[in-house]
Amino acid sequence: DQQVKQNSPSLSVQEGRISILNCDYTNSMFDYFLWYKKYPAEGPTFLISISSIKDKNEDGRFTVFLNKSAKHLSLHIVPSQPGDSAVYFCAAFLNFGNEKLTFGTGTRLTIIP
Amino acid sequence: ETGVTQSPTHLIKTRGQQVTLRCSSQSGHNTVSWYQQALGQGPQFIFQYYREEENGRGNFPPRFSGLQFPNYSSELNVNALELDDSALYLCASSFQGAGNTIYFGEGSWLTVV
Repeated sequence: DQQVKQNSPSLSVQEGRISILNCDYTNSMFDYFLWYKKYPAEGPTFLISISSIKDKNEDGRFTVFLNKSAKHLSLHIVPSQPGDSAVYFCAAFLNFGNEKLTFGTGTRLTIIP
Repeated sequence: ETGVTQSPTHLIKTRGQQVTLRCSSQSGHNTVSWYQQALGQGPQFIFQYYREEENGRGNFPPRFSGLQFPNYSSELNVNALELDDSALYLCASSFQGAGNTIYFGEGSWLTVV
C-alpha cells in the first residue's frame, strides 16, 4: 500500500523557469510533510517541510503547498537552476514523537541550461 | 553536511552471510532511524531507536535487527543475507518530537552476491 505517491518519475524544466513537483497521499492522519533532494551516491538532503495545519511554507526559492482536502502537496522551485537537477522525494509522518517517514518513489528533475 | 556519518560506504557480501552497518548521529540528536532504499524506490522505514530502545518497526523480518548505544550511535545488523537485501541503507538522526530536524547520512551501499 503506497501511502505517499509521486506519479511523475521524471520532469525536465528549462533553467530559470518554475519547477513544480507533485505528491499525493492517502493517509489523512499524516501530520507533517517534508521534501528531500537526493544526488546520486549521497543521502537525502532536507529541503523544506510543512505542517498539516498550514497550506503554504516558503524558504527562498522553494515553496511547498498543501491541499489537505485533495491530499496533495507540491514543491515549487523558482527560478530553477542547474544545481537543482536531482531526485526529489516527498515524505510524511504521522505525528511529532512518531517521526517515522513514509516516502514517495521520487521524481527525477532535470534542469536544461 | 548533516553531521550523520555512516560506515562502511560500500560493501559486498555473499548470500547467507551477516552484515553490520554503523551510524553516528548528529550531536544533540537522541533518535536514530534506519531506512532501506532499493534501486528506483523511495526509502523504506526499517526501524527506529530512541534512548536505546526500539521505537517502531517497519515491514522487515526479524533477521534485521539493531542497537542504539548510550552515545546515540547505532548499528543495523542483517543476518542470513538474501540477494534482495542489496540496497542503499540510510541512517537518519533526529531529536524526538522535533520532526523538522531529520537528517540523513550518506548511506551504506550493500551488494549481496
